[in-house]
Amino acid sequence: SQTIHQWPATLVQPVGSPLSLECTVEGTSNPNLYWYRQAAGRGLQLLFYSVGIGQISSEVPQNLSASRPQDRQFILSSKKLLLSDSGFYLCAWSGTGAGELFFGEGSRLTVL
Amino acid sequence: GESVGLHLPTLSVQEGDNSIINCAYSNSASDYFIWYKQESGKGPQFIIDIRSNMDKRQGQRVTVLLNKTVKHLSLQIAATQPGDSAVYFCAENNVDSWGKLQFGAGTQVVVTP
Repeated sequence: SQTIHQWPATLVQPVGSPLSLECTVEGTSNPNLYWYRQAAGRGLQLLFYSVGIGQISSEVPQNLSASRPQDRQFILSSKKLLLSDSGFYLCAWSGTGAGELFFGEGSRLTVL
Repeated sequence: GESVGLHLPTLSVQEGDNSIINCAYSNSASDYFIWYKQESGKGPQFIIDIRSNMDKRQGQRVTVLLNKTVKHLSLQIAATQPGDSAVYFCAENNVDSWGKLQFGAGTQVVVTP
């Protein structure tokens, strides 16, 4: 069966520090991968998606970047965090041609 | 319903009663709709989906209704249980942006004993 893992689960970082959130998927190959952000009391906003290694599409301009160094690995990064980067970050995957997304457990980032 | 601002609409339901959660969507080209359940501090979990060529689909204790005329989607939960307390999101997709779901703001369901 397919599983998705993301870490760390929680992170408290000072403004201006770097960020790296990692997500890996097991049990499937060539998945579509996604990073979503959820602000408190809000829905999910799509940040990045990837259909293959090295292929990243950004949905909104921001202080973050994403990379996909391996087929089942998706990384969310920032060189210098802003206060507005605080939120709950969710990694997700889907099969090619399918609409349903499977989400990880999320990473809660607090920037102070 | 959909939220405006920072406060999620809340549906308070007594245990054992049926719940109805509503969602309005805006894209008439959307052809695939999904309901997700998100418990506090966790990622969303798939509940049920429906294609635009259907009006109704039933799962275990849940039914999704789709009214394309008024672009309205609803999730009905039968015999609501305490474990159903969560935030429920509707999401829509279309073949032009397959996999890039557009999520509604969510509805908080609180089950009271």
